[in-house]
Amino acid sequence: GAVVSQHPSRVICKSGTSVKIECRSLDFQATTMFWYRQFPKQSLMLMATSNEGSKATYEQGVEKDKFLINHASLTLSTLTVTSAHPEDSSFYICSATTPYQGAGTQYFGPGTRLLVL
Amino acid sequence: GNSVTQMEGPVTLSEEAFLTINCTYTATGYPSLFWYVQYPGEGLQLLLKATKADDKGSNKGFEATYRKETTSFHLEKGSVQVSDSAVYFCALARDGGFKTIFGAGTRLFVKA
Repeated sequence: GAVVSQHPSRVICKSGTSVKIECRSLDFQATTMFWYRQFPKQSLMLMATSNEGSKATYEQGVEKDKFLINHASLTLSTLTVTSAHPEDSSFYICSATTPYQGAGTQYFGPGTRLLVL
Repeated sequence: GNSVTQMEGPVTLSEEAFLTINCTYTATGYPSLFWYVQYPGEGLQLLLKATKADDKGSNKGFEATYRKETTSFHLEKGSVQVSDSAVYFCALARDGGFKTIFGAGTRLFVKA
């Protein structure tokens, strides 16, 4: 149980275009989803916390107008990278949790590798 | 503030060797502690967790004990396999909260 999927797994886009990444909890309802960014050989950097039906909470230094997050249902959150630039190239990972999973336990998606040319 | 410190990698071991990856933390209150594993090109998977002092988390031959007196949560495995090659992240979540703080990760290479 507790499977989280991400789509697409890999995307290449031109500079200036927007890219949408989907995160789905397949067999449970996720009241909270997190979006992380991971640079090569580094740890995860939390970008934002997304609660179903409310606005996402962004971490300091993350541009909310550039990284649009929508948590429209208990099983789906989307991250849209608007007007992407090469410096946005990274590995984006989502995770999902509910109060029933136990404090702090998160289930991670497989990640989406974004390459902006 | 809250933080997690892991031993720097990479760690290179031969198959069947004993593994220890050190992790210490700084936190107020009573955090829950976790080890996550990331295989190449994949997202993170929860490996094990402990929610209170002296708890031992275990899974797939790995184990870690929550030591409040030394603020540590070291990961151990008695006999590693090539398939254990991955990056291991120590993490904490405070007092029932969901925001998780990750260590920098330790890359493990296991040679046949």
